Amino acid sequence: AQSVTQPDIHITVSEGASLELRCNYSYGATPYLFWYVQSPGQGLQLLLKYFSGDTLVQGIKGFEAEFKRSQSSFNLRKPSVHWSDAAEYFCAVGGGSNYKLTFGKGTLLTVNP
Amino acid sequence: DTAVSQTPKYLVTQMGNDKSIKCEQNLGHDTMYWYKQDSKKFLKIMFSYNNKELIINETVPNRFSPKSPDKAHLNLHINSLELGDSAVYFCASGGRASEQYFGPGTRLTVT
Repeated sequence: AQSVTQPDIHITVSEGASLELRCNYSYGATPYLFWYVQSPGQGLQLLLKYFSGDTLVQGIKGFEAEFKRSQSSFNLRKPSVHWSDAAEYFCAVGGGSNYKLTFGKGTLLTVNP
Repeated sequence: DTAVSQTPKYLVTQMGNDKSIKCEQNLGHDTMYWYKQDSKKFLKIMFSYNNKELIINETVPNRFSPKSPDKAHLNLHINSLELGDSAVYFCASGGRASEQYFGPGTRLTVT
């Protein structure tokens, strides 16, 4: 069975500080990994994805994530956070013929001015 | 140009009523999904259709019935609504390898 753990329920950073959101997954084969962002009252927007190849992937809004197979992790990073990055962030793992995505419980990011 | 659209955005109704939520995608994808997001923001898949064929049917009460008239549309009908059905329902459209694009959500409130 596939699963995702996001250990941090809530993270607060200051504007301009760096950010790392943690994600650990469990999957029986090579996983497809995703990060989504959800602003209040909005749908989920795809930030970035990993299918194969280079383990460091770049996404939109200046985000990047690194796939580490040995640690079963796919952490999201941003060098300098903006106030507009305040949102809920979801890591997800997928694969298989039915393309099912399993989401983590999310990390709420608060940005202090 | 909206990729995945849902109607209505808000739905307030009383217990026991029947309601429907509609979803349309213009991305040309073959696969569409319904998710439920509870008050704690937990996202859980309910159904998935691939080319109008049901391929994922998670443990969902029989009161929920998806219908896909064509691969660009996936509707969700809910009978005999209960208080516990209050949530945000998201439709998504699937690209390759699990990549999914979400609609704006429908906030259902059952009173």
